[in-house]
Amino acid sequence: KAGVTQTPRYLIKTRGQQVTLSCSPISGHRSVSWYQQTPGQGLQFLFEYFSETQRNKGNFPGRFSGRQFSNSRSEMNVSTLELGDSALYLCASSLAAEGTGELFFGEGSRLTVL
Amino acid sequence: EDQVTQSPEALRLQEGESSSLNCSYTVSGLRGLFWYRQDPGKGPEFLFTLYSAGEEKEKERLKATLTKKESFLHITAPKPEDSATYLCAVFSGSARQLTFGSGTQLTVLP
Repeated sequence: KAGVTQTPRYLIKTRGQQVTLSCSPISGHRSVSWYQQTPGQGLQFLFEYFSETQRNKGNFPGRFSGRQFSNSRSEMNVSTLELGDSALYLCASSLAAEGTGELFFGEGSRLTVL
Repeated sequence: EDQVTQSPEALRLQEGESSSLNCSYTVSGLRGLFWYRQDPGKGPEFLFTLYSAGEEKEKERLKATLTKKESFLHITAPKPEDSATYLCAVFSGSARQLTFGSGTQLTVLP
């Protein structure tokens, strides 16, 4: 079956711009979570959605937001980009909510902020 | 606050040379400990979930074990294709989110 699909795979933005990243989970998976991965901080939890509801949010500023649609597809948005937002953004889906199950990750969207 | 510490940061092995990776954790109410493998340019790939102290799981050359304070990922007779970054993560009832360690970058030389 198809895995988790993230688009775009690569993008370059400048400071102050905003960006929207998309994630299509594995068919049947209702939980989608987002992570930021950087060399210095590693993988950090952004937020999790289950059945269109945000279940949990990590310790990131309000510039980071997300949503989930009725078909379980999810988007995350970062507004007023800063240089430090350059990272690999990973989406993961699972059958269970709240990360208690096995996570299936996409290949990520690599964001570079200039 | 949940904390996960992995050691060593990097490990180089000769093909066939067995070793172990360590994951120490501090959590309030562990609900699961997870091991993932990440290849360069890819997302992490799930390997194991361990739920309680004493539990062990095996998959090919990998064996994961869990105590009340740490987990080990044992690699027996590794091959070059085992080269990757191995990530440990915990999920607790208090944090209700996965907390990842910084990973161990394993290189297996032929």
